[in-house]
Amino acid sequence: KAGVTQTPRYLIKTRGQQVTLSCSPISGHRSVSWYQQTPGQGLQFLFEYFSETQRNKGNFPGRFSGRQFSNSRSEMNVSTLELGDSALYLCASSPTVGQGKTEAFFGQGTRLTVV
Amino acid sequence: AQSVTQLGSHVSVSEGALVLLRCNYSSSVPPYLFWYVQYPNQGLQLLLKYTSAATLVKGINGFEAEFKKSETSFHLTKPSAHMSDAAEYFCAVTFSGSARQLTFGSGTQLTVLP
Repeated sequence: KAGVTQTPRYLIKTRGQQVTLSCSPISGHRSVSWYQQTPGQGLQFLFEYFSETQRNKGNFPGRFSGRQFSNSRSEMNVSTLELGDSALYLCASSPTVGQGKTEAFFGQGTRLTVV
Repeated sequence: AQSVTQLGSHVSVSEGALVLLRCNYSSSVPPYLFWYVQYPNQGLQLLLKYTSAATLVKGINGFEAEFKKSETSFHLTKPSAHMSDAAEYFCAVTFSGSARQLTFGSGTQLTVLP
């Protein structure tokens, strides 16, 4: 069974640009969550999608947005990139939503560097 | 609000020695607790999880953790460290009824010395 797939693995962007990251969850999983990992702030929750609806959102500015498609694939977008957006962005999929007992399965992440 | 504290950002042990990584949580409701491991330039891999069943949880690669409600702790242990255990370890918490929103500790970098 294929795991969570994130593309691209590495990305370099210039300040002010926008970027779109993609995540394909494990087959059958309907919940997709996104996390930002930086040396200074650690792992922080961005948002979660289930059945194409955003269910929860972390404390990030509106420049960070996402969406989920009918096949459960998800994208996140960051507009007007800032240097501080440089991070590893991790996507996680889960088979259900609202039930803490199930674990989240993580992809390998997309390393975004903003220059 | 829920939170997780990992004591010790860096832990070094000799190969074959006991590994003990500490995690404390704060919560007013029963938590679900997880330990994840991250190797360089990789995502997170689940080691084990506590979901209100047995308080002693066994995971992969010989790791286990014990949920102690009175101490609000969920420390990770392994009797004998192996060189391949060198990685960063994260404790995470979520709560029943919440969406899949994990709150992570700041991580502990484990070094295994030959």
